[in-house]
This record gives sequence, C-alpha cells and structure tokens, in this order.
Amino acid sequence: NAGVTQTPKFRILKIGQSMTLQCTQDMNHNYMYWYRQDPGMGLKLIYYSVGAGITDKGEVPNGYNVSRSTTEDFPLRLELAAPSQTSVYFCASRSDRGRSTGELFFGEGSRLTVL
Amino acid sequence: GESVGLHLPTLSVQEGDNSIINCAYSNSASDYFIWYKQESGKGPQFIIDIRSNMDKRQGQRVTVLLNKTVKHLSLQIAATQPGDSAVYFCAENKGGFQKLVFGTGTRLLVSP
Repeated sequence: NAGVTQTPKFRILKIGQSMTLQCTQDMNHNYMYWYRQDPGMGLKLIYYSVGAGITDKGEVPNGYNVSRSTTEDFPLRLELAAPSQTSVYFCASRSDRGRSTGELFFGEGSRLTVL
Repeated sequence: GESVGLHLPTLSVQEGDNSIINCAYSNSASDYFIWYKQESGKGPQFIIDIRSNMDKRQGQRVTVLLNKTVKHLSLQIAATQPGDSAVYFCAENKGGFQKLVFGTGTRLLVSP
C-alpha cells in the first residue's frame, strides 16, 4: 500500500511552459485534493474532487486545471507557467467511509520552480 | 476573511519537556479542528482532531484542548522528543471537510 504518490518530486519550468503534476492513490479514497504551500506559509487549496468525474475549485484555482477520470488519479495541469506558481504542491486523499474525519493522507510533495 | 492563525512561529524546548503549541481561530461557525505535523521535506501527517462539542481529546502523548469561548486551540505534546521537531499546523472546518483552512504553522525545535 503505497498511499499517495506524486511525480515528479522536482521540476524547473520556464515562464509560459506547461506541465502536469501526477497524483495517484491506492487506498480507494473518493476525495482528493491539491494544495500549494509557499515558503513559511500554510496550505492553500487549489482544487478538489469528491469522486471520479467531479471536480471543484478551491481557494486559489487560477492558472490550474484538474481532471478526475478514475478514482485513483488526480492530475494537476499548469498552463502557461508563471513565477507566482513557484511553490511546493501537495496532493492528498481522504476516505468517506467509516468514521467521518478530516484526516487527509498527503503525498511527499512536488517542488516546482518557474524561472 | 476569517482565518486560522498561530501565536508563535517558533517554539524551542528541551528534550523531555512538555510542549504547548497554540492556535487562534476566528470563524465561530467552525465545528471541527485538526492538527497536522510536517517534517522537513515531507507532506503533512495527521496527529489528532477534535469536534466543537468537545473541549479536550487525548491521543498518544498528545492532547488537544479547545476553548470555544476565546476561540483558541492548543496542542500539548508530553515528554517532547527530538523526533517531534517539525512544523505543526492547525486547521479548521465548517462542515463537510471539503475545505480545511490551514494556519501558517509553528516550528517546534527540540534540543537534546
């Protein structure tokens, strides 16, 4: 059981380039999230999904897109990368079965630098 | 808008001491609170949670206290160990767990 796996762990982009951060989980969780964490700051929610085929915007969605074609995968797409998107990105998942809690299972993060 | 914040950005303690990490919240409608630990280079990890109908909850070496009167949340770590060194985040939610609001974090440094 690998939990939440993110790739790549590190990436440098030039301004205007596009890329996709991959996230997959093997816990059969319906809920998945993408957060960004700027230095010395807390986590800001970008997008989330409550199940395959359903996504919704979080607090800071501009400049990003997501899709959820399967329960396992929740990729985050950056179009026309900007320096303001330099950050560490975390994918997380949560179960909606059993005791209802807010416990999120996080991946190890993807550090993105836009130059 | 309403937000979750922390009083102290860095807390330094000696190994074996008890640590108390504080968090203030301003959304009186929040009904669920959670603490996460983030070690360097890793994703946050769940520690303990508490619902607004409780004022205290205990886990292994950790206790969370909730004071709704003053909108204050604290995490107590007993017999702090070097492995407890990390950044600790509190988060709040107003129903549904869809959009946890995270605070900025407190760094805990444990000296041997």
